[in-house]
Amino acid sequence: QKEVEQDPGPLSVPEGAIVSLNCTYSNSAFQYFMWYRQYSRKGPELLMYTYSSGNKEDGRFTAQVDKSSKYISLFIRDSQPSDSATYLCAATNSGGSNYKLTFGKGTLLTVNP
Amino acid sequence: DAGVTQSPTHLIKTRGQQVTLRCSPKSGHDTVSWYQQALGQGPQFIFQYYEEEERQRGNFPDRFSGHQFPNYSSELNVNALLLGDSALYLCASSLGTDVSTDTQYFGPGTRLTVL
Repeated sequence: QKEVEQDPGPLSVPEGAIVSLNCTYSNSAFQYFMWYRQYSRKGPELLMYTYSSGNKEDGRFTAQVDKSSKYISLFIRDSQPSDSATYLCAATNSGGSNYKLTFGKGTLLTVNP
Repeated sequence: DAGVTQSPTHLIKTRGQQVTLRCSPKSGHDTVSWYQQALGQGPQFIFQYYEEEERQRGNFPDRFSGHQFPNYSSELNVNALLLGDSALYLCASSLGTDVSTDTQYFGPGTRLTVL
């Protein structure tokens, strides 16, 4: 079992839709959770960062972590064609010696005008 | 600010050959991590370099090796290439080694194709 599981999609939505992207994880030591966005032929860029459980909002984006169910979500409101990209969830441990991120497979999102 | 740069952009090699990929970190960053991203997969951690030393290695064989230079730039070397090494190789830089608090900035990657 992979430590971070993510449905690869693809997901296609009309412009203006609310998008929900999800991951699950199995490693109870994970305390920090990130969402990266990766455009075609580009490197990933950090979109959202969350520590432990709870919600974090940034503009049209909301990240949620439910540690009791080991579930990570990213919501995109009023989705735009420019949001079309692959979305990667990632996690890492707490404490020192956190040298690596563990990524999910990524979900390919297309927002149609 | 130039951001993280990687060279070359694309590379085609044959099985058994050796390859060297290069990375220049974002200005002011002292830590470089390398990831392998196979087609349709998420990035997988190869190793991290800080102070010219390998700090941690992921589940990759010894054919994968690296180096960090005094100016913080880094190289990834892969020997005895296999078809399965075909992937996008991503370099990420950060100020500090703790990825839970030190944001990693990724370069555009080097696309390696092994024939």
